[in-house]
Amino acid sequence: DQQVKQNSPSLSVQEGRISILNCDYTNSMFDYFLWYKKYPAEGPTFLISISSIKDKNEDGRFTVFLNKSAKHLSLHIVPSQPGDSAVYFCAASGHSGTYKYIFGTGTRLKVLA
Amino acid sequence: SQTIHQWPATLVQPVGSPLSLECTVEGTSNPNLYWYRQAAGRGLQLLFYSVGIGQISSEVPQNLSASRPQDRQFILSSKKLLLSDSGFYLCAWSVKVSYEQYFGPGTRLTVT
Repeated sequence: DQQVKQNSPSLSVQEGRISILNCDYTNSMFDYFLWYKKYPAEGPTFLISISSIKDKNEDGRFTVFLNKSAKHLSLHIVPSQPGDSAVYFCAASGHSGTYKYIFGTGTRLKVLA
Repeated sequence: SQTIHQWPATLVQPVGSPLSLECTVEGTSNPNLYWYRQAAGRGLQLLFYSVGIGQISSEVPQNLSASRPQDRQFILSSKKLLLSDSGFYLCAWSVKVSYEQYFGPGTRLTVT
């Protein structure tokens, strides 16, 4: 049972435009969500997070939106740059104390110059 | 600053051979430690996590085991590798009061 789903395996966006990556979850006990960015043959790097007490968190070009009623979160990248081309994973946690995450399967973003 | 090391970077092993992957963290004390696997075309799957020396929790039944002999050392092992053990193995750490996990560079394991 996939508790965290990223239904779009890939996404192509023109440089300068907005990239929107989506993530859905099924477990209403999840209370913290994160986005990671991963380049080939490297470990994921933390990008941005959001607590369930918020519905938006912004960090530079990156904004994460959380819709708890829909159990949906999204990552917006504006403007998109070629260096943003990578695989993006969303992750969710509802196990405070151990910080176990459930990861989605990832979305490969390609930003076209 | 904190850094996390994993080795080797790549490994090709025959079926039935043993495995030992090592992960060490520098610049922090008493971290939570994690082993993940990313199989081809799939997301990151948590294999093991540890909240302290000698304390290991297994997330999925499998052919692998983990040990934490020192505070900042985490080892992933197998006595006999299977073809299905192939994948990209990632070690991660977190500060206990923080949710963010920080990943190492990973080990690409190919079982032939």
